[in-house]
Amino acid sequence: GENVEQHPSTLSVQEGDSAVIKCTYSDSASNYFPWYKQELGKRPQLIIDIRSNVGEKKDQRIAVTLNKTAKHFSLHITETQPEDSAVYFCAASETGANNLFFGTGTRLTVIP
Amino acid sequence: DGGITQSPKYLFRKEGQNVTLSCEQNLNHDAMYWYRQDPGQGLRLIYYSQIVNDFQKGDIAEGYSVSREKKESFPLTVTSAQKNPTAFYLCASSSTGLGNQPQHFGDGTRLSIL
Repeated sequence: GENVEQHPSTLSVQEGDSAVIKCTYSDSASNYFPWYKQELGKRPQLIIDIRSNVGEKKDQRIAVTLNKTAKHFSLHITETQPEDSAVYFCAASETGANNLFFGTGTRLTVIP
Repeated sequence: DGGITQSPKYLFRKEGQNVTLSCEQNLNHDAMYWYRQDPGQGLRLIYYSQIVNDFQKGDIAEGYSVSREKKESFPLTVTSAQKNPTAFYLCASSSTGLGNQPQHFGDGTRLSIL
């Protein structure tokens, strides 16, 4: 089955700096890669996703890049703000799978 | 997402007791999922259901049971066989059972042992 690894497990940045979280996956058939943000005690919320037919997708301060050859994808947050502090999860899956396969999460802290 | 409702928000279980966590969705989604999240950990899949009257075990199904009698409802029972039930339980749904669809989560139920 699919195995998703996520790094780093914790990340601290100064407000205004950029943050990058990386994930690798094992199944070359995977074609869907969402990212979720989970604030303390709350539900994970989808913030951006990318499919394998594109290499990059942006939404305001958030972007995701995908390297299918190397089987890794990354979340980029620019101009970080304190409200970006949360745990971020990556996931991967493919059409024939029954579920998303989640990474173990990255706790991002933005220092004011 | 306002379309997925989990209840209760907090639940306490006595030793030897079965408890049931509710999950209801009004998104008309075919697939529903239950995850367990331990402090500082990721999401582990307990059970999932792609259609009504069908469900499959996930990675950590032992000590849990589910039913899917209605499209909008997917209750999870934590049985007395689950010796370490203290965790945050999240229910999710997606439009189809295909893996390449986003999942939408409820607000979760926090279960503790008395």
